[in-house]
Amino acid sequence: DQQVKQNSPSLSVQEGRISILNCDYTNSMFDYFLWYKKYPAEGPTFLISISSIKDKNEDGRFTVFLNKSAKHLSLHIVPSQPGDSAVYFCAAISNSNSGYALNFGKGTSLLVTP
Amino acid sequence: KAGVTQTPRYLIKTRGQQVTLSCSPISGHRSVSWYQQTPGQGLQFLFEYFSETQRNKGNFPGRFSGRQFSNSRSEMNVSTLELGDSALYLCASSPQAAGPFDDTQYFGPGTRLTVL
Repeated sequence: DQQVKQNSPSLSVQEGRISILNCDYTNSMFDYFLWYKKYPAEGPTFLISISSIKDKNEDGRFTVFLNKSAKHLSLHIVPSQPGDSAVYFCAAISNSNSGYALNFGKGTSLLVTP
Repeated sequence: KAGVTQTPRYLIKTRGQQVTLSCSPISGHRSVSWYQQTPGQGLQFLFEYFSETQRNKGNFPGRFSGRQFSNSRSEMNVSTLELGDSALYLCASSPQAAGPFDDTQYFGPGTRLTVL
């Protein structure tokens, strides 16, 4: 059962505009969230993360927002650039005595058009 | 530094066979994690090894196993292959045992396994 959901399989945005990628989760035990970016024929690369004790983390053009009550996080890319075109994965981690569990969404394919 | 390398890059097997995939982490990295990526299930965590010990395991059947050698290189084995095992298998290395918590997990390009 998918615990991390990215309900939009694809998104198209014009260059210079804001890209907003959304992610919902069901497990309230998740305490750390990450976003990965993946180009074709390459492995995912880490983009940005946020701990559950925060509601916002910013790194350059990338900002992640976390709404714990809604079990929702989003990645904002401002301004969007054609090089941002890739698949973006949301991931969530829960940690327990038996170790950590890592859960990924299915990804959202972002296309930034010139 | 050379990145994470995975061999082979592509593999075709038939049902019932077994397969072994190899991953060489970045020099100095001691943690290796394995993931399966399929269109239907997305990216799923298989297991993590650190200092030759499996530290964490995802929700996969016992047909999926792995090991890590003293030089931190890791192998993943899938026995009695099923059609549904067709996927991209990704390996990621990290310098510390914390794995993804320290955000320094580096992925290899993956091995594309096709089961016929």
